[in-house]
Amino acid sequence: GQQLNQSPQSMFIQEGEDVSMNCTSSSIFNTWLWYKQEPGEGPVLLIALYKAGELTSNGRLTAQFGITRKDSFLNISASIPSDVGIYFCAGQLPNSGNTPLVFGKGTRLSVIA
Amino acid sequence: DSGVTQTPKHLITATGQRVTLRCSPRSGDLSVYWYQQSLDQGLQFLIHYYNGEERAKGNILERFSAQQFPDLHSELNLSSLELGDSALYFCASSPYPGELFFGEGSRLTVL
Repeated sequence: GQQLNQSPQSMFIQEGEDVSMNCTSSSIFNTWLWYKQEPGEGPVLLIALYKAGELTSNGRLTAQFGITRKDSFLNISASIPSDVGIYFCAGQLPNSGNTPLVFGKGTRLSVIA
Repeated sequence: DSGVTQTPKHLITATGQRVTLRCSPRSGDLSVYWYQQSLDQGLQFLIHYYNGEERAKGNILERFSAQQFPDLHSELNLSSLELGDSALYFCASSPYPGELFFGEGSRLTVL
């Protein structure tokens, strides 16, 4: 099936640092979404992107839908301890109808205070 | 709070047993998806229902089945449980293809 390559797999950063993670695929996607999952919780939608080139912010988070439609990145500025969690990218294939979102394997973020 | 409700939150059972996980979608959402997440693994799609009809199947074992009822709630039935079935099971609902809203999950432990 379709795969999303998400990197890095994990990162340890100091509080206050900026974070960047990305997701790539060999396939074109119509929609890119970024989710965050905290321990013991379900994934929570952070940002949804619907157009190639779209740049969208949600507080300290910024995500972009790549021009080629095969990638997306998520930036977190001035990280804080509560940013800890697993960040998943997900994509919707064109004309996929009922096909569910394809998820990446996640980037595990640890923030050192 | 995503608006998606899953019960039970935790479940411990023995191998060979059968369990039922329940999901109530967000008000107005017709689509329900089930995902499995094993330890340190990503989200594995199991099955999708739309307004009571099965629409897509993923890596769902034959021992597992699901249904969506007229009131749109859904149940995932897991039978002949094995140790490897221990995982978090998430339900998600969606107003349209694309954005999923996840419940808090049901953690199944098979001993």
